[in-house]
Amino acid sequence: DAGVTQSPTHLIKTRGQQVTLRCSPKSGHDTVSWYQQALGQGPQFIFQYYEEEERQRGNFPDRFSGHQFPNYSSELNVNALLLGDSALYLCASTLTRDSGGSEQFFGPGTRLTVL
Amino acid sequence: AQSVTQLDSHVSVSEGTPVLLRCNYSSSYSPSLFWYVQHPNKGLQLLLKYTSAATLVKGINGFEAEFKKSETSFHLTKPSAHMSDAAEYFCVVSDAELIFGAGTRLAVHP
Repeated sequence: DAGVTQSPTHLIKTRGQQVTLRCSPKSGHDTVSWYQQALGQGPQFIFQYYEEEERQRGNFPDRFSGHQFPNYSSELNVNALLLGDSALYLCASTLTRDSGGSEQFFGPGTRLTVL
Repeated sequence: AQSVTQLDSHVSVSEGTPVLLRCNYSSSYSPSLFWYVQHPNKGLQLLLKYTSAATLVKGINGFEAEFKKSETSFHLTKPSAHMSDAAEYFCVVSDAELIFGAGTRLAVHP
């Protein structure tokens, strides 16, 4: 049973560029959430996608956008990169009908470095 | 708004001694609480979760946590630390999304 997968594992960009990160949820899961984990901090919620719609959003600017495809995979896009966007980006999946205390399964993350 | 506070940023123990990682939560209603562990270069793994069933929750690898509503606490314990327990531990409260604490780095010395 494949868990949550993310690509790429590492990425280096320069300020002002745009980046796209990809996530495939655990088999059978329909909901994908994205988190940003800065060095030495806990992950922070960016947004959650269900049925190809953004269902909930954390306190992140509009430079952060996403998409969910019919196969439940998801992309995170960040425009106009800033140095402060350097972080580990984590994708997590769950099954919506089990929400409200259900476990979210995390991928290994994509390490983004902005120079 | 819900939140969690992990009271120690670093904890250091000797192998074979007990582990205590402290977490306080803030919630206006009965929360769902979790402990996750993050080993270097690996994804977050769920240790255990509390969802208003038994207040003493048993997890994987010998960890357990007790939900104390009167103290708004959800401390993580293990009777005997192992070298492989060295990692970052996160206390988490669930709203629609997961809200993470700042983390506690556990070091285990021989």
